[in-house]
Amino acid sequence: DADVTQTPRNRITKTGKRIMLECSQTKGHDRMYWYRQDPGLGLRLIYYSFDVKDINKGEISDGYSVSRQAQAKFSLSLESAIPNQTALYFCATSDPGHGGGNIQYFGAGTRLSVL
Amino acid sequence: GENVEQHPSTLSVQEGDSAVIKCTYSDSASNYFPWYKQELGKRPQLIIDIRSNVGEKKDQRIAVTLNKTAKHFSLHITETQPEDSAVYFCADTGRGSNYKLTFGKGTLLTVNP
Repeated sequence: DADVTQTPRNRITKTGKRIMLECSQTKGHDRMYWYRQDPGLGLRLIYYSFDVKDINKGEISDGYSVSRQAQAKFSLSLESAIPNQTALYFCATSDPGHGGGNIQYFGAGTRLSVL
Repeated sequence: GENVEQHPSTLSVQEGDSAVIKCTYSDSASNYFPWYKQELGKRPQLIIDIRSNVGEKKDQRIAVTLNKTAKHFSLHITETQPEDSAVYFCADTGRGSNYKLTFGKGTLLTVNP
């Protein structure tokens, strides 16, 4: 969905380096998420934010931090990258909408390799 | 925490056959069950969802069924086509009203021409 933009699309870095993955959206959604995808493990939630002042840890937050700079921007940082953080990272947004539910709209993903 | 089990992990069918993917969930408070499709190299996208007050929902060749008593739900694809080949993820909301999703590990569906 072109309304959720992730940068960079690909990144190669070295062990110990600090890197930031960025996500911006034009959908006007309050809720934003960062997921990690590994083969055979599905989509695992790293952090999520329900508004600018609300940040929550997901199931695999260790080694990661986030910043919600504005409603439209949600960044994921790896303070000191390690090889097992090599994965495909997705940002997503949602708006609970009418009647509940939580349709999530994903960015195109960032493929990160830590050497 | 909430757990969603998805089976099978891989599924291969002939074009025109039906495909069924099943998921079980652990939290009886779950009330929203979406299915996402991820084509190779693409992002996941919602294809169908169902709420807990409904037992079945159809959209052309795809349908989802929900059995709240047994805590499982299934995706049915009829008359499969090669473009149905993708990874499919089920998810549920788990406890609470914040609708945070927990995803299954995915099913790689291959439709052979």
